[in-house]
Amino acid sequence: SAVISQKPSRDICQRGTSLTIQCQVDSQVTMMFWYRQQPGQSLTLIATANQGSEATYESGFVIDKFPISRPNLTFSTLTVSNMSPEDSSIYLCSVLGGRGADEQYFGPGTRLTVT
Amino acid sequence: TQLLEQSPQFLSIQEGENLTVYCNSSSVFSSLQWYRQEPGEGPVLLVTVVTGGEVKKLKRLTFQFGDARKDSSLHITAAQPGDTGLYLCAGVMDSSYKLIFGSGTRLLVRP
Repeated sequence: SAVISQKPSRDICQRGTSLTIQCQVDSQVTMMFWYRQQPGQSLTLIATANQGSEATYESGFVIDKFPISRPNLTFSTLTVSNMSPEDSSIYLCSVLGGRGADEQYFGPGTRLTVT
Repeated sequence: TQLLEQSPQFLSIQEGENLTVYCNSSSVFSSLQWYRQEPGEGPVLLVTVVTGGEVKKLKRLTFQFGDARKDSSLHITAAQPGDTGLYLCAGVMDSSYKLIFGSGTRLLVRP
């Protein structure tokens, strides 16, 4: 399975500011995803990061709030814009790959706290 | 409304006990995956089941996919403190690559 790293691992930010999270994979992958995990909750898909085109967002998530870049097949960024305390969550990237076409592998996550 | 419901939400047991976690839906999934997540880490894939009625074993963990591919269960035999974590089921619907996560089961195994 792919090895995935995320930066930063955690951050504390003030409301109204923006944070960009990086996701790096050690091999080329076709599909990358960004998830949010609110405190004590399960994972919710934010968007699919498409290489060479605009990300595909899920219902309830918009590009102005969560702009995503995917410049190549090993790297993606997620920006959390104009943050509020409600954005405090763990943000995770994942990739599609491995033995089965449906299997996803996750990065370690970025724990964001907005004060 | 959660598409995949897990039960129980929280389970605290003594080391050596057995337990079962359930993942239920009214929808059909082409495959279903189980993950375990520990604090400060991302979910780690445990198993994927794809065939209705399929049973997979991973050491002390037994996973079953329902005949109708709408539900799944995870059974742990003789639980150990190292089994502590958040267990998540996640399903993929036909013609989709998207993972739909269950609500999660938080397991605590006391020594």
